[in-house]
Amino acid sequence: AQSVTQLDSQVPVFEEAPVELRCNYSSSVSVYLFWYVQYPNQGLQLLLKYLSGSTLVESINGFEAEFNKSQTSFHLRKPSVHISDTAEYFCAVTYTSGTYKYIFGTGTRLKVLA
Amino acid sequence: DGGITQSPKYLFRKEGQNVTLSCEQNLNHDAMYWYRQDPGQGLRLIYYSQIVNDFQKGDIAEGYSVSREKKESFPLTVTSAQKNPTAFYLCASSRPGLAGQETQYFGPGTRLLVL
Repeated sequence: AQSVTQLDSQVPVFEEAPVELRCNYSSSVSVYLFWYVQYPNQGLQLLLKYLSGSTLVESINGFEAEFNKSQTSFHLRKPSVHISDTAEYFCAVTYTSGTYKYIFGTGTRLKVLA
Repeated sequence: DGGITQSPKYLFRKEGQNVTLSCEQNLNHDAMYWYRQDPGQGLRLIYYSQIVNDFQKGDIAEGYSVSREKKESFPLTVTSAQKNPTAFYLCASSRPGLAGQETQYFGPGTRLLVL
């Protein structure tokens, strides 16, 4: 069965330090990949997504993620985090075979420390 | 402003009671979804609907029911058969398009608690 693994449930990091949130997926078919962010007591918002083309995708607030097919990974990175980046981050996959179903990872809680 | 609204923000359920969570969207999206979020488990799909008057079970549909009589509305009923309903419930919608590529837009959620 297809699955998404986010090994780190919590990641503390100091402000202005770099961060990487890891995401690996298990799939025998082609996938689309997404990162969503959830601020406390709110719904999720799309951060960035990979559909095709360049394997490096960027968001408007400085995050980037790279699709690595050989390692089945889609890790999220930011070179310098801010206090406002404190949130929970979810990786998700869908399949190019035509389903509307998303499969979400268990989430990584990023806590940025002053 | 376009968006998705969920009500109520908090909902309390008594033993043996059915409760209904509201989800409304004015984004003109065809597809709508219900997820359940539990700590450490991420989001799990309960039901989804691609068009009016049609819906499919997700991974954890037991104890829940839905209807899709209008494009804008996708209410979720948590029935008494759902023995562990305490969770954060999220509704989402997406545009028609190539399946799997479309961004999902989420509402603010409803927190359901059992008395």
